[in-house]
Amino acid sequence: AQSVTQPDIHITVSEGASLELRCNYSYGATPYLFWYVQSPGQGLQLLLKYFSGDTLVQGIKGFEAEFKRSQSSFNLRKPSVHWSDAAEYFCAVMVGNKLVFGAGTILRVKS
Amino acid sequence: DGGITQSPKYLFRKEGQNVTLSCEQNLNHDAMYWYRQDPGQGLRLIYYSQIVNDFQKGDIAEGYSVSREKKESFPLTVTSAQKNPTAFYLCASSFQQQTGGYTFGSGTRLTVV
Repeated sequence: AQSVTQPDIHITVSEGASLELRCNYSYGATPYLFWYVQSPGQGLQLLLKYFSGDTLVQGIKGFEAEFKRSQSSFNLRKPSVHWSDAAEYFCAVMVGNKLVFGAGTILRVKS
Repeated sequence: DGGITQSPKYLFRKEGQNVTLSCEQNLNHDAMYWYRQDPGQGLRLIYYSQIVNDFQKGDIAEGYSVSREKKESFPLTVTSAQKNPTAFYLCASSFQQQTGGYTFGSGTRLTVV
């Protein structure tokens, strides 16, 4: 079955440090991939998406993600984390006409 | 401004009662979705609707019901048959092509007391 795995439940980084959140997917065809962010008690906001073409995609808030077919990965990165980036991050893959989400990674930022 | 509105933000229900969560969008989106969120489990699809007067079960539809009488509205009823209804419920919408991803509401937190 198609699935999305986010191996890290929690990640803590220092403000100003770089960030990489991991996402692996299991899907036969070329996937449509997404990263969303959720602040506590709020809905999800789309950070970026990949459908085809350039494997490095830029998103909002300074985030980027790289699609690596050989590794079935779509990791999210940011060069310098700000305290306001503390939130939960979800990777998702479009399966047919539905989005399937990973379990999420909670990012904590320490000053 | 276009968007998707969920109400109420907080909802308390006694065991054995049905309760309906509202979801309205003015984005002219064709498709609408209901997800349930529990800590550590990500989002799980309850029901979705691609067009008016049609909807399909998601992965965890038992104990829930929906209707889609208008394009803008997709209410979710949590029935007394749902064994563990306390959760955060998220509504989303998208165009049919879905290449833009989903737009989410701000959620309803349901607590059974």
